[in-house]
Amino acid sequence: EAAVTQSPRNKVAVTGGKVTLSCNQTNNHNNMYWYRQDTGHGLRLIHYSYGAGSTEKGDIPDGYKASRPSQENFSLILELATPSQTSVYFCASGETGSSYEQYFGPGTRLTVL
Amino acid sequence: GDSVTQKEGLVTLTEGLPVMLNCTYQTIYSNAFLFWYVHYLNESPRLLLKSSTDNKRTEHQGFHATLHKSSSSFHLQKSSAQLSDSALYYCALRHNTNTGKLTFGDGTVLTVKP
Repeated sequence: EAAVTQSPRNKVAVTGGKVTLSCNQTNNHNNMYWYRQDTGHGLRLIHYSYGAGSTEKGDIPDGYKASRPSQENFSLILELATPSQTSVYFCASGETGSSYEQYFGPGTRLTVL
Repeated sequence: GDSVTQKEGLVTLTEGLPVMLNCTYQTIYSNAFLFWYVHYLNESPRLLLKSSTDNKRTEHQGFHATLHKSSSSFHLQKSSAQLSDSALYYCALRHNTNTGKLTFGDGTVLTVKP
């Protein structure tokens, strides 16, 4: 069974503060993804990675950075958090291949005050 | 670019009635790969079913969908709704690259009432 974990599960941050969301996967998947989930917008891709050391911009990268220091870990960094970044963030991992199924973590609820 | 449309944001049904959640997509590529993900409250989104074969029905956990490339549709159906089917359902389209990137629709919240 795929295993993707995220920390923290809940976070309250202040405007202008730095926030780091962490994701760990034990599936040995090459690809990892960060999404945010907002009502009426579905899951939107922020950043993704092909493997250790790589990060790529997704569809809504502004205000976010990403870091992939190892196969297992993928972080999402908000250098200067804003209230508009209040959302639920999901990390996912996936292997290339015929189906490209993605396995999601439990999500992190971020509130920026 | 690629896009996915789920026209119903909220569907409310009585238990036992049939379910149909609509999904249409746009892509310039002929080898579309479509997915339905289900997100139950307090759980992680997970794959429900997937297909890349035109006009072939795919089934899982009582749900089924058929990819129709002629109409760019991949509607999710179930013959009889159960209370436990209440969840958020996403339709997604795989990009035609080896990145594994998916484009998700906005999602449909299905609420099944007794």
